[in-house]
Amino acid sequence: SQTIHQWPATLVQPVGSPLSLECTVEGTSNPNLYWYRQAAGRGLQLLFYSVGIGQISSEVPQNLSASRPQDRQFILSSKKLLLSDSGFYLCAWSPLGDTQYFGPGTRLTVL
Amino acid sequence: QKEVEQNSGPLSVPEGAIASLNCTYSDRVSQSFFWYRQYSGKSPELIMSIYSNGDKEDGRFTAQLNKASQYVSLLIRDSQPSDSATYLCAVNDPNTGNQFYFGTGTSLTVIP
Repeated sequence: SQTIHQWPATLVQPVGSPLSLECTVEGTSNPNLYWYRQAAGRGLQLLFYSVGIGQISSEVPQNLSASRPQDRQFILSSKKLLLSDSGFYLCAWSPLGDTQYFGPGTRLTVL
Repeated sequence: QKEVEQNSGPLSVPEGAIASLNCTYSDRVSQSFFWYRQYSGKSPELIMSIYSNGDKEDGRFTAQLNKASQYVSLLIRDSQPSDSATYLCAVNDPNTGNQFYFGTGTSLTVIP
């Protein structure tokens, strides 16, 4: 069966610090991968998606970036965090671009 | 801009009642529709998917789709306190690599 992991589970970072969140998927090959952010009391905002290694599409211009160095690894990064980057970051995977399954999420607080 | 609209609630129903959650979407080309449940502080989990007009039943859950009216709903029969959560509606966009568009969710509280 397939499983999706995210770490860390929680993170508290100062404004201006860098960020690296990691997502890995097990039990599948060549999944579509997605990064979402959910701000408190808000809906899911798609940040990036990837259909293959090195292929990243950005949905929202911001100070975040994503990379997919391996087939089942998706990384979300920032060089300098802003207060507005606080939120619940969710990674999702999809077989053949259909149903999406979410990881446990990373709760980021920027102070 | 694709839109998925849900009544934010909160929706309160007594235990054992039927909870009805509604969702409308703006893009007629959407082909796949999904309901997710999200407990407070947790990630969304898939409840049901529906692709064809009509009803689809899975245990206490029934999804209903009407593509002509661009409307999808979720019925929860015999509601339990454990069903208290936020329910997210999602639709796909086959023109953009099957990206999902999510509603902001409906908060459901089942009162014991």
